[in-house]
Amino acid sequence: DAKTTQPTSMDCAEGRAANLPCNHSTISGNEYVYWYRQIHSQGPQYIIHGLKNNETNEMASLIITEDRKSSTLILPHATLRDTAVYYCIVRSHMDSNYQLIWGAGTKLIIKP
Amino acid sequence: NAGVTQTPKFRVLKTGQSMTLLCAQDMNHEYMYWYRQDPGMGLRLIHYSVGEGTTAKGEVPDGYNVSRLKKQNFLLGLESAAPSQTSVYFCASSYGSGAFFGQGTRLTVV
Repeated sequence: DAKTTQPTSMDCAEGRAANLPCNHSTISGNEYVYWYRQIHSQGPQYIIHGLKNNETNEMASLIITEDRKSSTLILPHATLRDTAVYYCIVRSHMDSNYQLIWGAGTKLIIKP
Repeated sequence: NAGVTQTPKFRVLKTGQSMTLLCAQDMNHEYMYWYRQDPGMGLRLIHYSVGEGTTAKGEVPDGYNVSRLKKQNFLLGLESAAPSQTSVYFCASSYGSGAFFGQGTRLTVV
């Protein structure tokens, strides 16, 4: 079973910041938080990951709470092309494999 | 820069037929993976490989076999296709953190 809980769907207006929450209350000390997205019928796309510090890249920002039990992915200026299913996944870098456990994700719809 | 390439993109099989899905990556990644995705669901790991010549079972390996004879290629085989294997198959490769995915193979077994 997925170790994360996400809302089923969210809407956001184009040009606004999209804030996608994720709960991972059972996360362990060596587990990272990963975000991927999947645009309709395409392969998943890596967005960002972090351990405990906030992270930012050209696509998004990741805010992780101090207790690490939840996080928020922020798309600062959402566009219509950001409409996708967003997956929050926890994974240990101690694993010798890369078995990501995928939940159902959040379907984000960006509205004009 | 091709990244991860999957062939074929679409295929229809009859029950009992066999086929091989090919995944090729040009990023020199050690790790490669095969996932399947059923409608409305997240991805489930079928098999994976942590290097050339090695393979291991994932969450849903039954009915599938894999081979990693070359570092850049990861093959997924269906020996006797069943309707329950109708799905979209994704290959991915990784250097240890973020994974790169192919565009998928849509397989229908009738």
